[in-house]
Amino acid sequence: NAGVTQTPKFQVLKTGQSMTLQCAQDMNHEYMSWYRQDPGMGLRLIHYSVGAGITDQGEVPNGYNVSRSTTEDFPLRLLSAAPSQTSVYFCASSAGGETQYFGPGTRLLVL
Amino acid sequence: AQSVTQLDSHVSVSEGTPVLLRCNYSSSYSPSLFWYVQHPNKGLQLLLKYTSAATLVKGINGFEAEFKKSETSFHLTKPSAHMSDAAEYFCVVSLHRTGGFKTIFGAGTRLFVKA
Repeated sequence: NAGVTQTPKFQVLKTGQSMTLQCAQDMNHEYMSWYRQDPGMGLRLIHYSVGAGITDQGEVPNGYNVSRSTTEDFPLRLLSAAPSQTSVYFCASSAGGETQYFGPGTRLLVL
Repeated sequence: AQSVTQLDSHVSVSEGTPVLLRCNYSSSYSPSLFWYVQHPNKGLQLLLKYTSAATLVKGINGFEAEFKKSETSFHLTKPSAHMSDAAEYFCVVSLHRTGGFKTIFGAGTRLFVKA
């Protein structure tokens, strides 16, 4: 199993540009989540999904969209990037219990 | 309201000495508690979890944590630090709710290990 994979590993955007962060898991997990990590703030939940076709907002959803058309994939879209979205983004999946499996992260810089 | 407080942002120990990373939580319900470790430029890896079974939980790499309900604490310990333990550690609370669960991360404690 590859576990949870994320692409790209690094990305530089200009303010106003859009992009999609990809996340995929091959463990047939129902739960998937997106977090952002900023220094001194731990991880904060952006959006999550409890199954294909079902998504909901987390703690910091503004400026981000998600969709869940398949169990495996959970992309995160930035519609109009802002410098405040400079961060490290982690995708995680869970079998419906509470132990989460994290991807390696995407480091995003918005200029 | 639920919250997680990691009492130290940084901890520095010498190799071979004990490690103590402190975590307090606040919850109206009986939570599940976790410790995750993050090595530089890596994702998070589960160290151990408490889910209302034994109060002393053993994890990977010699770490363990004790759930103390009366103190609302879940401190992480290791008898003897290794250089490879240098990383950031996150205490996490997970609460069941309708439709799933809510996860709250502490701010993290960075562990430095001196030779």
